[in-house]
Parts: sequence; structure tokens; C-alpha cells
Amino acid sequence: DAKTTQPTSMDCAEGRAANLPCNHSTISGNEYVYWYRQIHSQGPQYIIHGLKNNETNEMASLIITEDRKSSTLILPHATLRDTAVYYCIAHNDYKLSFGAGTTVTVRA
Amino acid sequence: SAVISQKPSRDICQRGTSLTIQCQVDSQVTMMFWYRQQPGQSLTLIATANQGSEATYESGFVIDKFPISRPNLTFSTLTVSNMSPEDSSIYLCSVSRDGGNQPQHFGDGTRLSIL
Repeated sequence: DAKTTQPTSMDCAEGRAANLPCNHSTISGNEYVYWYRQIHSQGPQYIIHGLKNNETNEMASLIITEDRKSSTLILPHATLRDTAVYYCIAHNDYKLSFGAGTTVTVRA
Repeated sequence: SAVISQKPSRDICQRGTSLTIQCQVDSQVTMMFWYRQQPGQSLTLIATANQGSEATYESGFVIDKFPISRPNLTFSTLTVSNMSPEDSSIYLCSVSRDGGNQPQHFGDGTRLSIL
């Protein structure tokens, strides 16, 4: 898996969009970018993944730069329940290598 | 996504004993995995549970310490053997329908404390 770099922590205002950056400058052509989050006392939850194109689902949007060296996860309207550790992972097989992630705190 | 149930959800055990953790999925899946999350740390893959054959262990994890079974496509067990306080962790099961570039879905884990 390519190494990913994320900010250690972020604060977000409830109701506003939360933009979570991830750097993966050594990503290879067949590696997907995956995002998971882990809410306290729960197992990780899959959010979204993509290869080249931007992706959107009911939870979030994923914006991948054209050179694929970085990406941004967008939570369109953050709620208090979005407070969690968010993991950005670049991989192309079944093995997930979890880094430290970004601790996101949504404040009222 | 698949519904994954782990039992027990938590336990407190004496050192030197063993505990078997169960992972049950509500539908057939190709891949099942076991992870460990030590206190304050991120997740580390222990092994891939293979149906009908021996599990595939990651570096630093051995079968004698973490024997795994997978008798069918919906069930797996992880045993933590001869436990010591250093084994106090959250143990998580995850599944993927087809492997490869398919998302993994996780259970809520088993919180294990060793006295």
C-alpha cells in the first residue's frame, strides 16, 4: 500500500461542510483510495472509495486530484455524529494498512 | 452491507488462559479477516481466515498464538492463546464479499482485558 499522510486532527462546525485532506504522492496506478471512519467504541465503517474519478454517495464525496497524489473527503453537512477518526488508505488488494488517521471533532 | 456479529463483545480474562472469539456474518462472503487494535493505536491485520484451509498470517503473528478457524462462508473464530496483559486489545472481524477492490465491513469488536 502507498503511504498516506493526513492531519492529526480537525475541528468542524456542525452543519458546515467538512473537508478532510489526504496526501498519497507515491500511489501506484492500480491503487484505489479508500476512506473509513471509526466512531468511538465501534468498528471501522466504510465511507467511499475511488480510483481516478470523483465519487459521491449518500455519506460523502471523494475528490481525487488529476495526478492522483492527493484527495479530499467531503462531508457535506457535518453533524455531531460525524465525530470520529477518519482513515485514508491507498491499496489494491485485500490488505488494509491503517495509519493514525485524522481525529475529526464536530462542534455545535 | 453485511451484518457482522462478534461474540463476546467484551471479556476480562486471567493470564495464561485462552479465549475464542466468534464472528458470524448474515450472508456468504469470500474474505474474512481478523484485526487487532491495541489501546490508543490503529488497527493491525492479524490474518486472513481462509475457508477450508489454514489462515494466512501477517508478519509478527503466528498460528500457535492466534489459531483461526473458518468452517464455512459465514463464520470464523479467532482464539487468543496463553494470554498475557500485552494481549489486552480490541479484536475485530471484517469481511469482504469478493476481496480485491471491494470494501471491507467490520464488526464492532471484542474488547479483551487480561489481568
